[in-house]
Amino acid sequence: NAGVMQNPRHLVRRRGQEARLRCSPMKGHSHVYWYRQLPEEGLKFMVYLQKENIIDESGMPKERFSAEFPKEGPSILRIQQVVRGDSAAYFCASSPARGVLETQYFGPGTRLLVL
Amino acid sequence: ILNVEQSPQSLHVQEGDSTNFTCSFPSSNFYALHWYRWETAKSPEALFVMTLNGDEKKKGRISATLNTKEGYSYLYIKGSQPEDSATYLCASKAAGNKLTFGGGTRVLVKP
Repeated sequence: NAGVMQNPRHLVRRRGQEARLRCSPMKGHSHVYWYRQLPEEGLKFMVYLQKENIIDESGMPKERFSAEFPKEGPSILRIQQVVRGDSAAYFCASSPARGVLETQYFGPGTRLLVL
Repeated sequence: ILNVEQSPQSLHVQEGDSTNFTCSFPSSNFYALHWYRWETAKSPEALFVMTLNGDEKKKGRISATLNTKEGYSYLYIKGSQPEDSATYLCASKAAGNKLTFGGGTRVLVKP
């Protein structure tokens, strides 16, 4: 059973461009979470999605950031008009269900560098 | 305690020695405590999920305890080996499904 896949692993963008980060959850997992690690900081929750629905986006910046998890295909984290402060590692995690004891399995992350 | 905090930030351990470190979390509205092991350039690897006060979990030479009333968890490594070198993360799950992470404890085991 393949783990959580993220691509690309590294992404370089110039200020003002768009960044699209992809996450394929583990097989059978319908819950996806995105976390961000800014330089010298810990992992911070961004958004929680279940197939076709955003459940909790309390950690998402109000502007330029959006996330989706369509019925078919990977979850996408989209950052429009990137700025240098968006440079970070973005991690995706998935779980098979929502319960208290459910483990979130993490992908290897996408390192975004904004020039 | 308002945030999840881990101490120390880093520690060096001699191979063969045992060690432990702490995770503190808000005890109110607590649902579960997760521990992860994170090696550089790899995915965080799930170690334990604990919910009950007094809970103890063990995986090989690594074990963890949980005190939900006072809001802390200890992670223990017995007989440290170089392959135990990693950052150990704890995360609290409150209402909702999101994890709130501590800053991690970076462990370096010296041969």
